[in-house]
Amino acid sequence: NAGVTQTPKFQVLKTGQSMTLQCAQDMNHNSMYWYRQDPGMGLRLIYYSASEGTTDKGEVPNGYNVSRLNKREFSLRLESAAPSQTSVYFCASSQRNTGELFFGEGSRLTVL
Amino acid sequence: AQSVTQLGSHVSVSEGALVLLRCNYSSSVPPYLFWYVQYPNQGLQLLLKYTTGATLVKGINGFEAEFKKSETSFHLTKPSAHMSDAAEYFCAVSSNSGGYQKVTFGIGTKLQVIP
Repeated sequence: NAGVTQTPKFQVLKTGQSMTLQCAQDMNHNSMYWYRQDPGMGLRLIYYSASEGTTDKGEVPNGYNVSRLNKREFSLRLESAAPSQTSVYFCASSQRNTGELFFGEGSRLTVL
Repeated sequence: AQSVTQLGSHVSVSEGALVLLRCNYSSSVPPYLFWYVQYPNQGLQLLLKYTTGATLVKGINGFEAEFKKSETSFHLTKPSAHMSDAAEYFCAVSSNSGGYQKVTFGIGTKLQVIP
């Protein structure tokens, strides 16, 4: 039962470097999400994909891009990392009409 | 717009004592309501959910929550705290927005259980 799988689990970047966080789900869910978690701020939505072929901005999209590669995979790209993007990133998926989210284990990113 | 307010970012209880974590929400349409739990260095997992029907919802690990529409609340309770309950708890509200479920989280409440 893999569920939602994120890679990498840890990453250290220098300011200005780029990287892509990968996410895959095996539950045949329509919707996928990227959140960031920061102390005292809960989870904030970066981007979401309501269904294959669509993506939309969430609450904090600046500095990020996403690709819904197919129904299973949803990647998050940082083109030019900044220290403010130091955070824990979570990918999640859901069936379109339930709202119940299934989370990956998170990717801890540090930008120096 | 929908929002979630969790009262108390840190709550401490003694082992065996009642656990009460407060959550109030606002939503312009009938919401779905959730509590998630996050153990250290892990992702969030569903504790319980309210969609329709019975307003008292039972979840895993002995937790339950009651949906009170008049008070716009969805407080989480457990009669007797266990050391393994120490974790961070997130309340969330979900409503349909343009064909998908928009989910908004509270800032979380860290529960400490004192032996």
